[in-house]
Parts: sequence; structure tokens; C-alpha cells
Amino acid sequence: NAGVMQNPRHLVRRRGQEARLRCSPMKGHSHVYWYRQLPEEGLKFMVYLQKENIIDESGMPKERFSAEFPKEGPSILRIQQVVRGDSAAYFCASSPPAGVSSEQFFGPGTRLTVL
Amino acid sequence: RKEVEQDPGPFNVPEGATVAFNCTYSNSASQSFFWYRQDCRKEPKLLMSVYSSGNEDGRFTAQLNRASQYISLLIRDSKLSDSATYLCVVNAGGYQKVTFGTGTKLQVIP
Repeated sequence: NAGVMQNPRHLVRRRGQEARLRCSPMKGHSHVYWYRQLPEEGLKFMVYLQKENIIDESGMPKERFSAEFPKEGPSILRIQQVVRGDSAAYFCASSPPAGVSSEQFFGPGTRLTVL
Repeated sequence: RKEVEQDPGPFNVPEGATVAFNCTYSNSASQSFFWYRQDCRKEPKLLMSVYSSGNEDGRFTAQLNRASQYISLLIRDSKLSDSATYLCVVNAGGYQKVTFGTGTKLQVIP
């Protein structure tokens, strides 16, 4: 059973470009979460999604950031017009259906560098 | 008050020492509690769940105190490989979303 997969592992963008980060949850998991971690800081919750629904996006910046989890395919975190402050590690996690467990399993992360 | 609060450390302890971390949470409706471990530049990984009755896994013991709203992690006979950041994680009661503490850094010294 493959774990949570994220790609790319490293992404370099110039200011103003778009960044697309992908996350494939573990098999059987229907919940996906995105977190951002700045160097030497803790994990910051961004968004919680189920298939085709955004459940909680209270941690997402209001502008330039969007997330989706389509019926088919991976979850995508999209950052438009990136700025240097977007440089961080972005982790995706997945968890089993509600009522089973709220334990989250993490992917290896995507390290975004904005030049 | 933060939802989940941890002492950031660092805790510098010699090999073989016993070290304990505490974590406080603000939501009395929280139902699920976990300790995760994060190595430098890696993803967090589940260390252990925390049950009401307390639980032990080898050198690691986790306890929950609902009355005072804190959980603890005890590491006995520390190894160099225990050096990492330990994250306290709390579920917001009946809701899949969890909240991570900022972590406590442990450095085990030879």
C-alpha cells in the first residue's frame, strides 16, 4: 500500500510564476490536508478537502492560493504569482474516512523555492 | 490562548537520560491526541496515539490528563536517534481536522 505521494519534491519558480503542487492520498483515504512549513517554524494548516469539496480553508491566504481535490486524480495546491515569501515546504496529509481515525499520514513534501 | 501549546525547547539531554514533554490544549471537546516526530527537513510521522488510560511503546510513554487538558510524552533511556522535533497533535472533537503544536526540539548528546 503506497503511502501519500507528492510531486514534485522540489520546485523552483521565479517571482510572478505559478506553482502547482500535487498530492495523491493513501489508498482508501478520502480526506486530504495541506500544510505549510517555513524554515525553523511549525506546521501551519492551510486547507482540508474531501473529494470535490473544500471542507475548511481557514488557513489559506485569501489571494493567489487555491486548492482542489477532483473526483479523479490528485489533489492540487495552486499558487499564482508566487512571491519570495511563498518559499516553504508544503506537506500534504491524508486520513481515513470519518469515524475510523483522525490520524494523518504525511507525504514527503514539496519544497518550493521562489527566486 | 493557543489551541495547542508546547515548549519549543531545545531540550539538550545526555544519552541514557529520561526526558518528558508536556503539551496543553484549549478545546475541552477534543477527543483524539497524538504525538508525531519530525526529523529535520522530513515529513512528520506518527509516534504514538494517546489514550485516556495512557499507553506505552517500548521506551515511550504517553499520558492524557483531561481535567488539566494536557498530554505528556516520556522518553526513557534516550538514544542519539531520538533527536528530533516532537509535535503534539489534537483533534477538534468529532471533526477530522487536527491542530499541530509548534513542536518541542530534542537533542540527545553523546
